[in-house]
Amino acid sequence: EVQLVESGGGLVQPGRSLRLSCAASGFNFDDYAMHWVRQAPGKGLEWVSGISWNSNSIGYADSVKGRFTISRDNAKNSLYLQMNSLRAEDTALYYCAKDHAYDSTYFDYWGQGTLVTVSS
Amino acid sequence: IVLTQSPDFQSVTPKEKVTITCRASQSIGSSLHWYQQKPDQSPKLLIKYASQSFSGVPSRFSGSGSGTDFTLTINSLEPEDAATYYCHQSSNFPQEFGQGTKVEIK
Repeated sequence: EVQLVESGGGLVQPGRSLRLSCAASGFNFDDYAMHWVRQAPGKGLEWVSGISWNSNSIGYADSVKGRFTISRDNAKNSLYLQMNSLRAEDTALYYCAKDHAYDSTYFDYWGQGTLVTVSS
Repeated sequence: IVLTQSPDFQSVTPKEKVTITCRASQSIGSSLHWYQQKPDQSPKLLIKYASQSFSGVPSRFSGSGSGTDFTLTINSLEPEDAATYYCHQSSNFPQEFGQGTKVEIK
């Protein structure tokens, strides 16, 4: 059974940093691209970042480019999102999502999300 | 690439047919996927590559389209279909979601 468990969310002040993690199990993690998708309270889905199976292809939403860094550790079956210079508008539930393929296609499994609140 | 869904909201009686459209600002071939999100749940994949049903999805859900114009159809709406529906393009980075269409059961 595919499982994606996000962690690392919490309350953080504007301008500070936070690192999210996603622990994957139930599939060959190093065969698939992975993504972060967020959802602000009461709002729609926003794709944040994606990374190919071997980390050679990485993309970011314009809203986070230069502030967020996605990475993965295939030996640990884990996906990460380093979030720097956080802003109030980064407040959201952050989902980890598994891609169907080694590069970007569709998301066939999602975690339950970890909540990030940016506030002073 | 910007994805624009219509309508934003739809109130429908059970067994009625629902049609949601998603328009891309430029051609994305068939790299368009549909998800369903119920309140307090993670999104779930319904349709991949514009028209291919994902495993386990009821047959009343179908998709069509290519290029810039896509449609999600729910034939004979069931009460459990009350949810927000999103289109998603994976043609290139940055990927995008549509703004969502909320379907309410009358």
